[in-house]
Amino acid sequence: EPEVTQTPSHQVTQMGQEVILRCVPISNHLYFYWYRQILGQKVEFLVSFYNNEISEKSEIFDDQFSVERPDGSNFTLKIRSTKLEDSAMYFCASKAESMGNTEAFFGQGTRLTVV
Amino acid sequence: SQKIEQNSEALNIQEGKTATLTCNYTNYSPAYLQWYRQDPGRGPVFLLLIRENEKEKRKERLKVTFDTTLKQSLFHITASQPADSATYLCALAHYGGATNKLIFGTGTLLAVQP
Repeated sequence: EPEVTQTPSHQVTQMGQEVILRCVPISNHLYFYWYRQILGQKVEFLVSFYNNEISEKSEIFDDQFSVERPDGSNFTLKIRSTKLEDSAMYFCASKAESMGNTEAFFGQGTRLTVV
Repeated sequence: SQKIEQNSEALNIQEGKTATLTCNYTNYSPAYLQWYRQDPGRGPVFLLLIRENEKEKRKERLKVTFDTTLKQSLFHITASQPADSATYLCALAHYGGATNKLIFGTGTLLAVQP
């Protein structure tokens, strides 16, 4: 069964360092998303991406964040200068269609710990 | 802004009983509502989707209802099993540009006791 894969599963980084979280969406999907979940809190939308550009972003997704689809298969989230409050699980998701009547497929997540 | 609330307390039930989870939303009129399961340290997994013009949807032991007047969805698991223990998330699809992001509720932790 096709699945979304994320690497690494766990990343520990020093405050102020740059991190890149990687995702391989399902191959025939066109719509890509990043969500995050701070421990004990709800899953929050960060950004959506379609046709090689950002479609929508949340208030959390400030200029420290960027996304890229560098090679047609990977989808990356970069945090330029990490803060303690960036510590969270980051989930990548992909969908075949954008409509709300289609399911989103989530990866297993990257646990980011900023120290 | 949109607000989605789920039972904040954990739900503990005995194996074999029916679990009923509640999702209430405000300031929004979604065309679709989705339910996901999340296990500890894992990503959400899609379970069921219901449209605004559907009152009820079933899949095996799962049943979802959607009342757009009350702005509420109920999620039922019949003949519950310990393996059903997880956090259950409701999510509304929100249109934004070319994509539809999901807005998640806080989730309800279900524990099924053997």
